[in-house]
Amino acid sequence: DAKTTQPTSMDCAEGRAANLPCNHSTISGNEYVYWYRQIHSQGPQYIIHGLKNNETNEMASLIITEDRKSSTLILPHATLRDTAVYYCIAKTSYDKVIFGPGTSLSVIP
Amino acid sequence: DAEITQSPRHKITETGRQVTLACHQTWNHNNMFWYRQDLGHGLRLIHYSYGVQDTNKGEVSDGYSVSRSNTEDLPLTLESAASSQTSVYFCASQSGGSSYEQYFGPGTRLTVT
Repeated sequence: DAKTTQPTSMDCAEGRAANLPCNHSTISGNEYVYWYRQIHSQGPQYIIHGLKNNETNEMASLIITEDRKSSTLILPHATLRDTAVYYCIAKTSYDKVIFGPGTSLSVIP
Repeated sequence: DAEITQSPRHKITETGRQVTLACHQTWNHNNMFWYRQDLGHGLRLIHYSYGVQDTNKGEVSDGYSVSRSNTEDLPLTLESAASSQTSVYFCASQSGGSSYEQYFGPGTRLTVT
């Protein structure tokens, strides 16, 4: 699995967009970018994934650079309930998930 | 609705005892995983299985074992519990093939005294 690097922590004002960056410069051609999040004391929750095209679902948008070496998860209108640790993972679709330390996002009222 | 459950949700045991944590999923997923989470270490993979009778070691498998006798269940056994195994344990499942998502259970908080 490709190694990913994320900022340790970020703050975002409630109602504003939260943009969470992730670097994965050694990603291989068959590895996807996945995002999960973990709200305090709960099990991790899948958010979104992509290969090379930008993706959007009801939770978030994923922007992947053309060279696929980095990506950004966008929560368009952050709420207090989005306060969580966000994990960026690069892996093939069939492989197991290995978690890094992630980014601790605090949404501020 | 399909789901993944873990039991017990909380467990206190003594050093040296054998403990089994249950994980049950109703999605008929082939792949199942066990993680532990400690403060300062994030989630670490203990064991995983890609189908019945298949088991594999993860990053931190020492002192743990799993068995997969059916699709729905992957119990995690601590052969002789140690205080270092005090942690929160999460089970996850994933459909095989080209599925993308892992679904996680609510977790079991285990304290070894």
